[in-house]
Amino acid sequence: DIQMTQSPSSLSASVGDRVTITCRASQSISIYLNWYQQKPGKAPKLLIYAASSLQSGVPSRFSGSGSGTDFTLTISSLQPEDFATYYCQQSSSTPHTFGQGTKLEIK
Amino acid sequence: QITLKESGPTLVKPTQTLTLTCTFSGFSLSTSGLGVGWIRQPPGKALEWLALIYWDDDKRYNPSLKSRLTITKDTSKNQVVLTMTNMDPVDTATYYCARNRWGYGYWGQGTLVTVSS
Repeated sequence: DIQMTQSPSSLSASVGDRVTITCRASQSISIYLNWYQQKPGKAPKLLIYAASSLQSGVPSRFSGSGSGTDFTLTISSLQPEDFATYYCQQSSSTPHTFGQGTKLEIK
Repeated sequence: QITLKESGPTLVKPTQTLTLTCTFSGFSLSTSGLGVGWIRQPPGKALEWLALIYWDDDKRYNPSLKSRLTITKDTSKNQVVLTMTNMDPVDTATYYCARNRWGYGYWGQGTLVTVSS
């Protein structure tokens, strides 16, 4: 299985901040990397697919980059509705493993 | 409009078999490139990928659970069924189904399954 490691596990930030979350794969996954946002009691929401493609309807303050083993999710200017848990997931090969999550909290 | 919804028991006893049904609308699982997968999330924990079935009936499983899982589809009914045998309290989780195509872009609301005697 490909292991996905996110950092940090938790993060405190303020509205308006620029935030970056990183995800590392245990082997190369090309660009087969997805990012999700999950709020308490809700299903995950796809934000970014194929490392850098913005899912329809997702605000442009979200962006993704990377290829191979190292990836980043950036939120350019945090909004109150962005405080949530974020997961990366590889879809290069099954099982489509997830990272352990990054909880983004209000400072 | 694409929707998915999970259905099945909310409580199962240890050693029993869990059967979950994902009923979807707004797309056909006969469309090339599409798949429907199952993902679960124990309370307070991370997401765990379980299984995926593609439009061409290719089936993939999490190796750690493969011996316990079976995924099938009924294209005419727009349903995907997941069975998990020999349930244990550690299998208590919210189970989600989701459509796969370049990521899992559409999810059901999830169904909480509790394993307890």
